[in-house]
Amino acid sequence: DIQMTQSPSSLSASVGDRVTITCRASQSISSYLNWYQQKPGKAPKLLIYAASSLQSGVPSRFSGSGSGTDFTLTISSLQPEDFATYYCQQSYSTPRGFGPGTKVDIK
Amino acid sequence: EVQLVESGGGLVQPGGSLRLSCAASGFTVSSNYMSWVRQAPGKGLEWVSVIYSGGSTYYADSVKGRFTISRDNSKNTLYLQMNSLRAEDTAVYYCARDQTTSASGYYYYYMDVWGKGTTVTVSS
Repeated sequence: DIQMTQSPSSLSASVGDRVTITCRASQSISSYLNWYQQKPGKAPKLLIYAASSLQSGVPSRFSGSGSGTDFTLTISSLQPEDFATYYCQQSYSTPRGFGPGTKVDIK
Repeated sequence: EVQLVESGGGLVQPGGSLRLSCAASGFTVSSNYMSWVRQAPGKGLEWVSVIYSGGSTYYADSVKGRFTISRDNSKNTLYLQMNSLRAEDTAVYYCARDQTTSASGYYYYYMDVWGKGTTVTVSS
């Protein structure tokens, strides 16, 4: 099975900050990488699919990059509504595992 | 409106069974890949199972042999039959549509529509 890791596990940031979250796969997954945002008590929301494609309706301050084993989610200017937990997920093969998550909270 | 609504969660004793339902509207379940994802209290997301449009099914090792994913095309509904439940199966269970996009000859899968979840508690 492919193992997904994320770093950092949590971070504190201020509104307007540029935030970068890293996801790493235990083997190459090409561009089969998705990013989700989850707020407490809510279902996850798709942000980025195929490593760098922005889901419809998602603000352009979110972007994704990477291929192979190393991927990045970037929030160019953090907004109050962006404080949440972010998960990466590989869709290269089953089981389609998630990373452990990165919690972004207010500094 | 494209929507998924889960139901069937509740309190069950260890070793018991439960069937979760996920009613879809605005799209056809049988034409899409459909998944179940769960989240234990205070923990991260765990992929559980997927059913392909062709009917193939796949499971996480943690539920293989105990859980069965299925669908009823006439009811446009996805199911998760859970048997031999354990305390570690306690979680919020989400169903999701697995959307597909093709690019440069490759097919990419991602969960673009999610239900609000149903809570399963396994305890004596």
